[in-house]
Amino acid sequence: EIVMTQSPATLSVSPGERATLSCRASETIAGNLAWYQQRPGQAPRVLIYGASSRAPDIPARFSGSGFGTEFTLTISSLQSDDSAVYYCQQYHNWPPYTFGQGTKLEI
Amino acid sequence: ELQLVESGGGLVQPGGSLRLSCAASGFTFNTHWMHWVRQVPGKGLLWVSRITSDGSETNYADSVKGRFTISRDNAKNTLYLQMNSLRVEDTAVYYCARGGWGGWFDPWGLGALVTVSS
Repeated sequence: EIVMTQSPATLSVSPGERATLSCRASETIAGNLAWYQQRPGQAPRVLIYGASSRAPDIPARFSGSGFGTEFTLTISSLQSDDSAVYYCQQYHNWPPYTFGQGTKLEI
Repeated sequence: ELQLVESGGGLVQPGGSLRLSCAASGFTFNTHWMHWVRQVPGKGLLWVSRITSDGSETNYADSVKGRFTISRDNAKNTLYLQMNSLRVEDTAVYYCARGGWGGWFDPWGLGALVTVSS
């Protein structure tokens, strides 16, 4: 099973600034990584797939990068409604599909 | 509009059974893999099960294998999760999700809370 590790656990950033979230895979997953946003009381929604492709209707402020075992989600010009938990997920080697433990972003 | 709506959650005693349903609309249901993912309140996401578009292949997380069964009725655009021999640790919000062509999940339903307690 591929283990996904996210850091930091919690990130506090001011409005208008940029946030950088990290995700590491226990073995190479090529570019088979997705990022999700989960606001309080809501279901997750996909932001990024293929490590760097934005899902439809996702603002350009959200960008993903990385390949192999190290990945980054960058959110620029932070807004209050970006406050959420962000999860990475690998789909390179399954079953099982595995998620990171999440990064809580506080604005 | 793409929509997934789960139903069938509730309170059940340990050892009991429950069947979740997920009604799909706004897309061609019978061309997509479907998944169940669960989340203990306040905790992270755990993939539970997958089924292919025609229902011929299924996969399960080790923690539910032999107890849970995923199925689908393409004529009714509905996904199911039959949960037997439920344990306290199965308590979670259960989401159904459409499989993206590569293996991500999009969209997700609103979730159904399953509580296993005596």
